[in-house]
Amino acid sequence: DADVTQTPRNRITKTGKRIMLECSQTKGHDRMYWYRQDPGLGLRLIYYSFDVKDINKGEISDGYSVSRQAQAKFSLSLESAIPNQTALYFCATSKEGGGAGNEQFFGPGTRLTVL
Amino acid sequence: RKEVEQDPGPFNVPEGATVAFNCTYSNSASQSFFWYRQDCRKEPKLLMSVYSSGNEDGRFTAQLNRASQYISLLIRDSKLSDSATYLCVVNIRSDYKLSFGAGTTVTVRA
Repeated sequence: DADVTQTPRNRITKTGKRIMLECSQTKGHDRMYWYRQDPGLGLRLIYYSFDVKDINKGEISDGYSVSRQAQAKFSLSLESAIPNQTALYFCATSKEGGGAGNEQFFGPGTRLTVL
Repeated sequence: RKEVEQDPGPFNVPEGATVAFNCTYSNSASQSFFWYRQDCRKEPKLLMSVYSSGNEDGRFTAQLNRASQYISLLIRDSKLSDSATYLCVVNIRSDYKLSFGAGTTVTVRA
């Protein structure tokens, strides 16, 4: 079984709809992250969480919100989806921070299309 | 200016060839450096960390040049399975924030 799972894997929705992307992990990591990837751009950090009671904005948090329901679960919501939120979304986990040796493990991605 | 910049390629090479490419980063305070590999429409996976003295993992060699603020990746004896996009990743502080380059695409042909 995959260590980091994301649901749904693909989603097509309409402008203005509320969307929730789910991420679950069995790695026992405290740190979880949400990124989006667009063609020609690197992965960009949306939100991150160091434990259940900790939520932090990344570089592109506008239009998004998150919920850390448990150590293993981190959800990303688009309150009112817009077309420029069409992207590939990745959830990731890590044992500790970004220093050498602290690998981030990514889920398989959710491809979201907003019409 | 982007924090991490990469030549997008593609680098098209025959099997057995050597291919090398660089990545530049803008913040001189950057502390940690990595290469991740991403197959088409799949998740990124860590290929290797990059250490100050340079390091090698099988056919892959990574180098860091702090003075010129770039890291490099060299792949020797290329295999078809090396075809992927290679992401340069830089960490400024030892906490959370990884800055990702847009990737360099390598295609190895038979």
